[in-house]
Formats: sequence, structure tokens, C-alpha cells
Amino acid sequence: NAGVTQTPKFQVLKTGQSMTLQCAQDMNHEYMSWYRQDPGMGLRLIHYSVGAGITDQGEVPNGYNVSRSTTEDFPLRLLSAAPSQTSVYFCASSARSTGITYEQYFGPGTRLTVT
Amino acid sequence: QQQVKQSPQSLIVQKGGIPIINCAYENTAFDYFPWYQQFPGKGPALLIAIRPDVSEKKEGRFTISFNKSAKQFSLHIMDSQPGDSATYFCAASNGDDKIIFGKGTRLHILP
Repeated sequence: NAGVTQTPKFQVLKTGQSMTLQCAQDMNHEYMSWYRQDPGMGLRLIHYSVGAGITDQGEVPNGYNVSRSTTEDFPLRLLSAAPSQTSVYFCASSARSTGITYEQYFGPGTRLTVT
Repeated sequence: QQQVKQSPQSLIVQKGGIPIINCAYENTAFDYFPWYQQFPGKGPALLIAIRPDVSEKKEGRFTISFNKSAKQFSLHIMDSQPGDSATYFCAASNGDDKIIFGKGTRLHILP
């Protein structure tokens, strides 16, 4: 099992550019999510998905889009990058049952800098 | 209220000491309280978790103490080692697909 994989590991963008952060998991987890981590701010939820075809917004969704066409993949798109989106991005996945919280497995992260 | 408040922001402890990290929450619907450990350059990983039907849970040198009436829980690390130096996040969830994280504590264990 590779677990949760993320690409790229590092990325530098210019303001206004677009890009997609890739996330994949091979554990057949229904639940996947994206977080951003900033100094002193902890882990903030951007978007999440409870299964293929279903996505929802988290705490800080503005400026980001997601889709979930397969169980395995959950890409995060930045349509027009801004310096405020400079951060470390983590993808996570977990098993899911209604009303029960399971362990989240995190990927290694993508460090994004927007100049 | 969905916040989880974590303190201290950073902590330095001598090897063998017992660092304690505290968290407080407001939402009484939370029923799952995990702690995640993160080493530099890595993603967080689950360390230990507790549900509110018990007041304490131990796994190796790590212990969660839970006070339901005070809406507080804490992580204790017994016989701390330099390898425990990491950032620790508390979190809370009520099974609605969102986990709310604290802001993290950077722990440094001096050799």
C-alpha cells in the first residue's frame, strides 16, 4: 500500500497562474479531504468528499475547486493563484460510516509558494 | 461553537520530563478526540484518540486525560525523549465528516 500520495512536493507559481494539486489513495477510503497548514493556524479544512461525485466546502474554500470522479483521486485546483495561497497543502483520507469518525491518513504534503 | 483551543503554542522540556499539552472545546456534540503527531516535512499521523465514555487512555508513553464536565482534554508524554520532538495537534469531531484541529504545539525535548 502506498497510502496517500501527493504531487508535486514543491511548486512555485506566479500570481494569477492556475494549477492542480494531485492526491490519490489506494486504501479504498470513501472520505477524502484537503487541508492547508500555515504557521500558527493549525490545519484548516478546504474541501472534503464523502464519496465519488460528492464534495462539500470546509472552513476556507474560497479560491479552490475540487472534484471526485473516482474513489482513488481527489485533485485540488487553484484557478487564479494569489500570494495568500502560499501554504503547505495536505490531502487526507479515511474510512467512513455515518456518525463515526475514523483515523485520517495524511499525505506527505505539497509546499506551494505564490509570488 | 466549532473551535478547539490548544495550548501552549510551544514547549521545551528536558529529556525524561513530562510535557503536557492542553485542549479545550465548546461543542458538547463532539464525541471523538484524537491527537496527531507531525514531524518536520511530513504529514500528521494519528498518535492516540479517546472517546468521552472514558477519562483516560494510555498507549505506551502517551496518555490522554479527558474531563467531560470541563470540556478539556490533554496529552501527557511520559519519560519524554528527543525523538518525541514534533508538532502535536489535538482535534475533535462529532462524526459529521469534519475534524476540527487545534492550532498545534511545537514540542522540543532537550537531550
